[in-house]
Amino acid sequence: GAGVSQSPRYKVAKRGQDVALRCDPISGHVSLFWYQQALGQGPEFLTYFQNEAQLDKSGLPSDRFFAERPEGSVSTLKIQRTQQEDSAVYLCASSPQRGNSPLHFGNGTRLTVT
Amino acid sequence: GENVEQHPSTLSVQEGDSAVIKCTYSDSASNYFPWYKQELGKRPQLIIDIRSNVGEKKDQRIAVTLNKTAKHFSLHITETQPEDSAVYFCAANSGGGADGLTFGKGTHLIIQP
Repeated sequence: GAGVSQSPRYKVAKRGQDVALRCDPISGHVSLFWYQQALGQGPEFLTYFQNEAQLDKSGLPSDRFFAERPEGSVSTLKIQRTQQEDSAVYLCASSPQRGNSPLHFGNGTRLTVT
Repeated sequence: GENVEQHPSTLSVQEGDSAVIKCTYSDSASNYFPWYKQELGKRPQLIIDIRSNVGEKKDQRIAVTLNKTAKHFSLHITETQPEDSAVYFCAANSGGGADGLTFGKGTHLIIQP
């Protein structure tokens, strides 16, 4: 079956531009997570949704980062006024139930801010 | 919050030998510990996980052990093969009912032919 799908696969933005990254989770998966992975590092938690509710956004690095999942399926991570330090791979993951269950990751969006 | 330390950062072993990667965690309430394998440019993929009600779990050439008292867990790969070359990440859930995973910084496993 289809896995977690993310688009675009690559995104180059000039400093100051806004970007929107999309995640299509596995159908029926309740939980959706966004992670940021810098080069040579492990994924770092950004935010978590259970259905359409954003239950944890403690990992978002600044108020320039905003995520939504309005219908409890597709999610969008938006970064406003991008900075060079935002350059990273943004990974989306979903799981069929809340808490303590395996995460299925997408291939990520590699964001480069020039 | 949870803090996960992983070592070594790089591990080179001869094909056919065993590899061991170790992680420690800080939050005693954590109860779920997955391991992910990530090949260059690809998504992290779950290879094995363990919950705090067991001390060891095995799946063919891969095993994971958990010591709750010492708050550390390890990945063991036996009879390593070239396709085992990748970056491996350990993770722990944040405990207390929270839902995010905290990852280690990764181990680059290199299998020498």
